Amino acid sequence: QSALTQPPSASGSPGQSVTISCTGTSSDIGVFNYVSWYQQHPGKAPKLIIYEVNERPSGVPDRFSGSKSGNTASLTVSGLQADDEADYYCSSYAGKNSPYVFGTGTKVTVL
Amino acid sequence: QITLKESGPTLVQPTQTLTLTCTFSGFSLTSSGVGVGWIRQPPGEALEWVALIYWHDKEHYNPSLKSRLTITKDTSKNQVVLTMTNMSPVDTATYYCAHTPGIAEPLDFWGQGTLVTVSS
Repeated sequence: QSALTQPPSASGSPGQSVTISCTGTSSDIGVFNYVSWYQQHPGKAPKLIIYEVNERPSGVPDRFSGSKSGNTASLTVSGLQADDEADYYCSSYAGKNSPYVFGTGTKVTVL
Repeated sequence: QITLKESGPTLVQPTQTLTLTCTFSGFSLTSSGVGVGWIRQPPGEALEWVALIYWHDKEHYNPSLKSRLTITKDTSKNQVVLTMTNMSPVDTATYYCAHTPGIAEPLDFWGQGTLVTVSS
């Protein structure tokens, strides 16, 4: 199972929006609605911010939203804040033998 | 409140076997659906899923690492143990354990991670 493909970097000014894509295949994103997104600040553990394509865990601001079309999922961060500067990883279920396939990661910079 | 914490050696010699322990609280690995997984991250690189064990003892391994891995659980101690044989420098990474509430569910709580360096 290959890693999901994300752009290496994305950026935006405070208050703007940034969208990160995550491209998989018909064996993972394309067939399962179990796409998650994780935020990771430097030196910290990843934090779940989106699950099941567009659901947010309790405590995650609604500035974070997810979507999916075909084999590609997307994460949008609206109203960018300084603390949103972090690495973001997508993940998809790909069947019982590959329950977690991660993306290549995207570094978001707040200009 | 769910918490997890990884423990084990920080330095391992090439060809040696790595044993990592994940000690958790706030949930039981006897509860239906619950699982604990291991994920690793080489310095400056992306996350990679390693292994997963569920409440009913079903184990899953990353196919590229499967021949070297064993994951077990001790429900009386609230621990999950990962064993990885024949370590090499490319296995140098921060190793995280994480909780999942069910099959296909996300990894919703993570430990702080432990950096393992493979070097002679």
